Amino acid sequence: EAGVTQFPSHSVIEKGQTVTLRCDPISGHDNLYWYRRVMGKEIKFLLHFVKESKQDESGMPNNRFLAERTGGTYSTLKVQPAELEDSGVYFCASSQEQGRIQETQYFGPGTRLLVL
Amino acid sequence: GQSLEQPSEVTAVEGAIVQINCTYQTSGFYGLSWYQQHDGGAPTFLSYNALDGLEETGRFSSFLSRSDSYGYLLLQELQMKDSASYFCAVYDFNKFYFGSGTKLNVKP
Repeated sequence: EAGVTQFPSHSVIEKGQTVTLRCDPISGHDNLYWYRRVMGKEIKFLLHFVKESKQDESGMPNNRFLAERTGGTYSTLKVQPAELEDSGVYFCASSQEQGRIQETQYFGPGTRLLVL
Repeated sequence: GQSLEQPSEVTAVEGAIVQINCTYQTSGFYGLSWYQQHDGGAPTFLSYNALDGLEETGRFSSFLSRSDSYGYLLLQELQMKDSASYFCAVYDFNKFYFGSGTKLNVKP
């Protein structure tokens, strides 16, 4: 079974440009999460999809970030326009059922974004 | 707000035992998880504690004390491949809150 995949693995862009990150969750996983880790800091929650619906987007930093999950399969996270502070590693994770006593999330390898 | 504290870095020798502590302050709590991340890789699930006590999985054990808002990950018979970052994470039934990670350096 394939794991969570993310594309691209690395992205270097200039301030003001647009970048779109993609996440393909494990097949059959309804829950999809986006996280971000800025250098040396915690892995911070951005948002959570259940199928194609946004369940919780309380962690999205501002309206320059737009996440979509059309059809409830893969998800994209667009940053437009990118700022220097958006640099970091963006992780995607998926899980089968949310709200169980034990929820295991399966992470992708991350996209390393550097905004110059 | 939510906060999880863990040491930033720990060094130990091969064959030794190391304990990585995590203290947390969160508004909700259902369980404490531990994830391992090798450089450039995906965080991978190690363990989950919902109840007080020790959970053992091979060389790794995880402990939770809900009354103290404290847990730890215990790694025994350290191997070079255990060099990685280890994150504690609190699950509040809606989402996970992660610590900043502890970088474990295992030396020969």
